[in-house]
Amino acid sequence: EAGVTQFPSHSVIEKGQTVTLRCDPISGHDNLYWYRRVMGKEIKFLLHFVKESKQDESGMPNNRFLAERTGGTYSTLKVQPAELEDSGVYFCASSQGLYNTEAFFGQGTRLTVV
Amino acid sequence: DAKTTQPPSMDCAEGRAANLPCNHSTISGNEYVYWYRQIHSQGPQYIIHGLKNNETNEMASLIITEDRKSSTLILPHATLRDTAVYYCIVPDNILTGGGNKLTFGTGTQLKVEL
Repeated sequence: EAGVTQFPSHSVIEKGQTVTLRCDPISGHDNLYWYRRVMGKEIKFLLHFVKESKQDESGMPNNRFLAERTGGTYSTLKVQPAELEDSGVYFCASSQGLYNTEAFFGQGTRLTVV
Repeated sequence: DAKTTQPPSMDCAEGRAANLPCNHSTISGNEYVYWYRQIHSQGPQYIIHGLKNNETNEMASLIITEDRKSSTLILPHATLRDTAVYYCIVPDNILTGGGNKLTFGTGTQLKVEL
């Protein structure tokens, strides 16, 4: 069974450009999460989807970030326009339930804004 | 803010047991304790979780004190590949609307040496 996959693994873009990150969760997992780690900081929660609905987007840093999960399958995270402080590693995770269940993480997308 | 406190670093000799402590004195009665680890820059990896009974799986054992205010993750025979940052996490309680959002904190850097 495939795990959580993320595309691309690395992305280097210029400040002001747009980047879209993609996450394919484990098949059948209704819950999908985005996290990120910026340089030298802790891994921080961004948002949580239950199927196609945003359950919690309290961690989204600002309105330059837009996450979607059309059809409740894969999810995209768009950064537009990208700023230097958006550089970091973006992780996606999925889980089958909300309670007494583990989350499975992808390998992350390393985003560098120059 | 993280609900847990962990020592910032620990060393362990290869082949010996690694015992990683965690304090979670404010844990509620229906909140689980989860352990994840991050090896180098890979995505976080689930290890084990428990509520009040001790748990064991193929990776580790989790010992939770009777008052549930602290726990210990045990890697019975640590190898060099177990060198990682280990995170003890008490997710927000779904019953209070918190879902399964993970707050990673700074974790414990475990270094396994020859």
